[in-house]
Amino acid sequence: NAGVMQNPRHLVRRRGQEARLRCSPMKGHSHVYWYRQLPEEGLKFMVYLQKENIIDESGMPKERFSAEFPKEGPSILRIQQVVRGDSAAYFCASSPGVGANVLTFGAGSRLTVL
Amino acid sequence: ELKVEQNPLFLSMQEGKNYTIYCNYSTTSDRLYWYRQDPGKSLESLFVLLSNGAVKQEGRLMASLDTKARLSTLHITAAVHDLSATYFCAVDPEAAGNKLTFGGGTRVLVKP
Repeated sequence: NAGVMQNPRHLVRRRGQEARLRCSPMKGHSHVYWYRQLPEEGLKFMVYLQKENIIDESGMPKERFSAEFPKEGPSILRIQQVVRGDSAAYFCASSPGVGANVLTFGAGSRLTVL
Repeated sequence: ELKVEQNPLFLSMQEGKNYTIYCNYSTTSDRLYWYRQDPGKSLESLFVLLSNGAVKQEGRLMASLDTKARLSTLHITAAVHDLSATYFCAVDPEAAGNKLTFGGGTRVLVKP
């Protein structure tokens, strides 16, 4: 069981470029969550998805950020026209469903915007 | 808006001594999680507390939950160097969606 796989682990972008972060959930998990961690802070919820559906995107910035979890393939968090404030660690987590399921987190993707 | 506050933010420990980390939250919740994070790594689940009075122990760590006081504690017994990490508590107020609100973390450094 490979766990939650995220890639890339590290990504460097210049201001104005696009960043795409990928997440493959654990085998058997159909629920994916994205969290952002700014330096020296806790994680902040961004979005919750199931296959082909966004369930809750209340933590997503209104502009430049989008997420998807297609029928086939990984979940993708897309950040357009990145700015320095987007520099953070982006963690994906998965669970088999709602309820008292402990989230399993991936190793994170660390985005640096120059 | 739900607030989750941990204290202290930083804890310098001596090996062999006992310490407690506190996690206060501002709204009703019956579900609280403790995670450990090593530098540059992901989060490792330590405990899930699902009801008032819940107590769980694993090795030198023990976590408890008082939902009436909206307080959870993580107690470390006889600290050892391997416990150096950042510890986060997280609350799931909706108890149905795993939409966690995290505390700011407690950075623990255990010195010999």
